[in-house]
Amino acid sequence: KAGVTQTPRYLIKTRGQQVTLSCSPISGHRSVSWYQQTPGQGLQFLFEYFSETQRNKGNFPGRFSGRQFSNSRSEMNVSTLELGDSALYLCASSPEERLGYNEQFFGPGTRLTVL
Amino acid sequence: DQQVKQNSPSLSVQEGRISILNCDYTNSMFDYFLWYKKYPAEGPTFLISISSIKDKNEDGRFTVFLNKSAKHLSLHIVPSQPGDSAVYFCAASASTGGFKTIFGAGTRLFVKA
Repeated sequence: KAGVTQTPRYLIKTRGQQVTLSCSPISGHRSVSWYQQTPGQGLQFLFEYFSETQRNKGNFPGRFSGRQFSNSRSEMNVSTLELGDSALYLCASSPEERLGYNEQFFGPGTRLTVL
Repeated sequence: DQQVKQNSPSLSVQEGRISILNCDYTNSMFDYFLWYKKYPAEGPTFLISISSIKDKNEDGRFTVFLNKSAKHLSLHIVPSQPGDSAVYFCAASASTGGFKTIFGAGTRLFVKA
């Protein structure tokens, strides 16, 4: 079974631009979560989607948004980029409805650099 | 508000010895805990988990201990191997919290040969 894939792997943008990141979960997984990883901050939860519905949202500004398609693929969008948005963005999928009770399978991440 | 804390940013251990990684949490509603391992340029991978109804779970060289009264859990790796060198994340979730998983900041483990 193919793992979680994320595209692109690396991205460089300038302040004020917007960016869209893509995630394809493991086949059959309906839950997709997004995390932001920065040095010293661990993985900060952005949001989680299940069957095209956002079920959970972290404490990030409205510039961060996401969606999930009927095939479970997910995208996240960041508008009006700021320098502080530079981070590794990780996508994770899970096969079960009870997200926190099951292991999540992570993709390799998208490294976003904002100049 | 860091609900899951890993106070040691790094840990260095000799090959063959025990590695002990610690994690503290503040939310008493957390009832499921997980450890993930992350190598550079890769996403985290699940290592081991424990439910709050248990105080110990073992899987090969990896054992997780949970002390609910102290809101503390630890991951023991015995014996440590150079391939264990990675960043280890502690994570917690609450069945009443929408099941989202809260991660700690991670501890970088160095296992010296």
